[in-house]
Amino acid sequence: GENVEQHPSTLSVQEGDSAVIKCTYSDSASNYFPWYKQELGKRPQLIIDIRSNVGEKKDQRIAVTLNKTAKHFSLHITETQPEDSAVYFCAASGGGKLTFGQGTILTVHP
Amino acid sequence: DTAVSQTPKYLVTQMGNDKSIKCEQNLGHDTMYWYKQDSKKFLKIMFSYNNKELIINETVPNRFSPKSPDKAHLNLHINSLELGDSAVYFCASSPPYFQGARVYYGYTFGSGTRLTVV
Repeated sequence: GENVEQHPSTLSVQEGDSAVIKCTYSDSASNYFPWYKQELGKRPQLIIDIRSNVGEKKDQRIAVTLNKTAKHFSLHITETQPEDSAVYFCAASGGGKLTFGQGTILTVHP
Repeated sequence: DTAVSQTPKYLVTQMGNDKSIKCEQNLGHDTMYWYKQDSKKFLKIMFSYNNKELIINETVPNRFSPKSPDKAHLNLHINSLELGDSAVYFCASSPPYFQGARVYYGYTFGSGTRLTVV
């Protein structure tokens, strides 16, 4: 089955800096890669996703890149703000269930 | 106007008890899931139902039994609760895996049920 590895497990940045979270996946059949943000005590919420026929996608301060050959994808957050502090999960799917990475605790210091 | 709603939000119970968690979605999605989030925040799939039929059953103890009376509801019953069952359980839903040109969509999660077994 699919295995998703996510790094780093924790990330601490200053407000205004950029943050990058990286994930690798094992199943070459996976073709859908969403990212979720989970604030403390809340549900995971979809923030951006990318499909395998696209190499990069951007939504305001958030961007995701995908390298299918290397089987890795990354989340980039620019101009970070304290409200970006949360746990971020990557996930991969080839049809059916999403397999999640282990999560990254992002802390943005004012 | 909650899209995916779970009840209860908190559940504290003693070892050995039997409990149920209910989930309902009003998005018209065909597929529903149960995920378990442990103390290290890892999200692991337990079950998936597509239009009332079980399609994914990961390695979960038989004490856990999902039931889907219709495609808008997916409940989780847990027998003989153990300390290790303490976690946050999330229900989620998504459109069908295949729509037209094999487009996949992300999940919409419920607010979670924090289960504490004492």
